[in-house]
Amino acid sequence: RKEVEQDPGPFNVPEGATVAFNCTYSNSASQSFFWYRQDCRKEPKLLMSVYSSGNEDGRFTAQLNRASQYISLLIRDSKLSDSATYLCVVFPMIGGYNKLIFGAGTRLAVHP
Amino acid sequence: NAGVTQTPKFRVLKTGQSMTLLCAQDMNHEYMYWYRQDPGMGLRLIHYSVGEGTTAKGEVPDGYNVSRLKKQNFLLGLESAAPSQTSVYFCASSSQANEKLFFGSGTQLSVL
Repeated sequence: RKEVEQDPGPFNVPEGATVAFNCTYSNSASQSFFWYRQDCRKEPKLLMSVYSSGNEDGRFTAQLNRASQYISLLIRDSKLSDSATYLCVVFPMIGGYNKLIFGAGTRLAVHP
Repeated sequence: NAGVTQTPKFRVLKTGQSMTLLCAQDMNHEYMYWYRQDPGMGLRLIHYSVGEGTTAKGEVPDGYNVSRLKKQNFLLGLESAAPSQTSVYFCASSSQANEKLFFGSGTQLSVL
């Protein structure tokens, strides 16, 4: 089993739709969680951190479920510019700086 | 406002040739990383550094060497390139181990 797993997609949605991605992780001791966005042939950029209580940034909502070991990203009112690959990132343990684990990514395509 | 700068952006090598990828950051970050990204596999850590003069192996270190002689620079070397090293390479830096990563724009390397 991979340490971080994501549905590769693609998720094809119309503008204005709500779409959600899940990401599961295997290490129950994981401490920090992030969502990164990567545009085609570009470098990944931090979209948002994921906090235990859940957090929202505009149209984006991130949630953490420790019991089931997954994090989620919800995008409301999708825009064409949201088309990208979304990477789930997990930091398995405190001080484990060599173990920032990236998922393979979920591709989102928003169409008119 | 340079952030993280990687050179070169593209390179084609023949099997057995050597090369060095240069990563420079101007944010005074302690942590620097080299990742490779292959289709369907996500970002995998090659080597990392937690400060000037230090280096450590990541998930896939074989065939690569690194050096961090100056805090702002992190070099990745391939002594004898192999086709399996065809990939996109990203350098990244961060202020803390589990904090936001800043990525360079990537290097597309092809080994024939």
